[in-house]
Amino acid sequence: EDKVVQSPLSLVVHEGDTVTLNCSYEVTNFRSLLWYKQEKKAPTFLFMLTSSGIEKKSGRLSSILDKKELSSILNITATQTGDSAIYLCAVEGGGSNYKLTFGKGTLLTVNP
Amino acid sequence: KAGVTQTPRYLIKTRGQQVTLSCSPISGHRSVSWYQQTPGQGLQFLFEYFSETQRNKGNFPGRFSGRQFSNSRSEMNVSTLELGDSALYLCASSTGLAGAQETQYFGPGTRLLVL
Repeated sequence: EDKVVQSPLSLVVHEGDTVTLNCSYEVTNFRSLLWYKQEKKAPTFLFMLTSSGIEKKSGRLSSILDKKELSSILNITATQTGDSAIYLCAVEGGGSNYKLTFGKGTLLTVNP
Repeated sequence: KAGVTQTPRYLIKTRGQQVTLSCSPISGHRSVSWYQQTPGQGLQFLFEYFSETQRNKGNFPGRFSGRQFSNSRSEMNVSTLELGDSALYLCASSTGLAGAQETQYFGPGTRLLVL
């Protein structure tokens, strides 16, 4: 059975800090790893990482996929209160298209 | 382009009842996936429909079922509701084309409370 584990489960930082969120996975036939941000409603897409795209960056957010270690990190620099959310990692694999296995998420709280 | 829409947004039911949730994907998207989100278990995959056929299925009991219509809209049904079915039900859509490396776009969810 596919498995995705995120750490830490929760994190409290001050504005301006840099944070690193971790995601490790065990899946057969890995296809892609996705990061989502979930505030009060639906998860919103951040990054997709695949074998052909192991590093992505958008503004203060960046993510790297380590296929050897079966893991990924999501970095957020110069955090702002608006970054407070649950960050979800999901993996598509197991030979089934469009079936995402999610981790339980990391709850990030950024205090002013 | 309009996003994924789900109706109703909130629902309260009692044990033993059944419920039907609806999801309209982004225009042009043919794949609709359903997920259950609870505080204890996180987001769990229920099933995925593509062109009116169930293409993938998660590990949920047969009380959970779904269907997809020719316009790609999808419904999810839960029969004989249990207290543990209280959750946020999310649907997500994508083009669903084989080989396409794409993300799924989530709707706002339906929050179901079973009393």
